[in-house]
Amino acid sequence: GQQVMQIPQYQHVQEGEDFTTYCNSSTTLSNIQWYKQRPGGHPVFLIQLVKSGEVKKQKRLTFQFGEAKKNSSLHITATQTTDVGTYFCAGTKGFQKLVFGTGTRLLVSP
Amino acid sequence: SQTIHQWPATLVQPVGSPLSLECTVEGTSNPNLYWYRQAAGRGLQLLFYSVGIGQISSEVPQNLSASRPQDRQFILSSKKLLLSDSGFYLCAWSVMVGFGTDTQYFGPGTRLTVL
Repeated sequence: GQQVMQIPQYQHVQEGEDFTTYCNSSTTLSNIQWYKQRPGGHPVFLIQLVKSGEVKKQKRLTFQFGEAKKNSSLHITATQTTDVGTYFCAGTKGFQKLVFGTGTRLLVSP
Repeated sequence: SQTIHQWPATLVQPVGSPLSLECTVEGTSNPNLYWYRQAAGRGLQLLFYSVGIGQISSEVPQNLSASRPQDRQFILSSKKLLLSDSGFYLCAWSVMVGFGTDTQYFGPGTRLTVL
């Protein structure tokens, strides 16, 4: 079945440093979504990418969908303590249900 | 606007006791509904999903079951809880609006501790 892996599993940065998490699928995807889960909270939808090579930005967050539509990345510029949480990618193929990645937990020290 | 409710927020149950967690969605019709479990510090494990009333698909064999008695109500149950059932249970809904656009919206979750 479809698998979605994320690396790293965990990263601890100092406030102001950049952060990147990578998402890799075993199969070609129709689209990729990103979610953020704050500590103690529930996952919240951030963004969806559909096109090959697509890049989208949300303030300090940059999301990219690979040319082959099998990988994606989330880059945070100049992290802040409010960025703390676990970031999940999730991919779908056609009308199949969404498959969540393994998640990357980000800790930001002030 | 759409909202999703889960209760209770926290629950402590003894091993061997029954379980019933409820999830309801407002403001949408015929949603896809999902139950996930998340162990502490881990990822999301899909347990069940439903595309309509009475239609339940199970992803992982276990001592849990799910039911959808009404369009916007999804219930997770167990007859006898195990220690390994402890975790954070999340309900989610989605509406397929187009090819591969199944964005999921999560409820606040139920934190279950089995002692």
